[in-house]
Amino acid sequence: DQQVKQNSPSLSVQEGRISILNCDYTNSMFDYFLWYKKYPAEGPTFLISISSIKDKNEDGRFTVFLNKSAKHLSLHIVPSQPGDSAVYFCAAMLYSGGGADGLTFGKGTHLIIQP
Amino acid sequence: DTGVSQDPRHKITKRGQNVTFRCDPISEHNRLYWYRQTLGQGPEFLTYFQNEAQLEKSRLLSDRFSAERPKGSFSTLEIQRTEQGDSAMYLCASSTRRGNEQFFGPGTRLTVL
Repeated sequence: DQQVKQNSPSLSVQEGRISILNCDYTNSMFDYFLWYKKYPAEGPTFLISISSIKDKNEDGRFTVFLNKSAKHLSLHIVPSQPGDSAVYFCAAMLYSGGGADGLTFGKGTHLIIQP
Repeated sequence: DTGVSQDPRHKITKRGQNVTFRCDPISEHNRLYWYRQTLGQGPEFLTYFQNEAQLEKSRLLSDRFSAERPKGSFSTLEIQRTEQGDSAMYLCASSTRRGNEQFFGPGTRLTVL
């Protein structure tokens, strides 16, 4: 059973526009969420995270929104740049109070930025 | 380079052989994680260590898999009697004890023929 779902395998966005990547989760016990970016032949790179006590976190061009009642989060990238083309993974964790435990990942969304 | 490193980057082996992978975490990180990623999937958690103690193991970690972190620094992941279904990217990540963000290495791609 997939506890973290990214229902769009791919997304194409024009350079300069906003990219919105979506993620849904089923486990209401998840209390910390992260987004990772992955290029081919490299490991995932941490982008941005959000605690369940917040509904928004912003870092430069990246903003993550969390809607706990809907069990939904989204990553906004504004403006989108060619270097943003990559696979984006949503991940969730149960906060143990002593640091990160194993992450549960979605299947990823392949973002393609068109020139 | 002070990031997470993994060795080897690629491994091709025949079915039935044993393989061992190594991970060196970021030096001040005392938590170390192993994940497996297959084509079209996100990384799947296998196990993690806090210092030298193995604190959690996924049910994905069959009896043929064993991980160690003997001195709380680098870690090894061994797969015995490899099967074709073990072909995957094996990722290592590390974090501080209080940090929620995990930082990943480049991975070891295993191909079992």
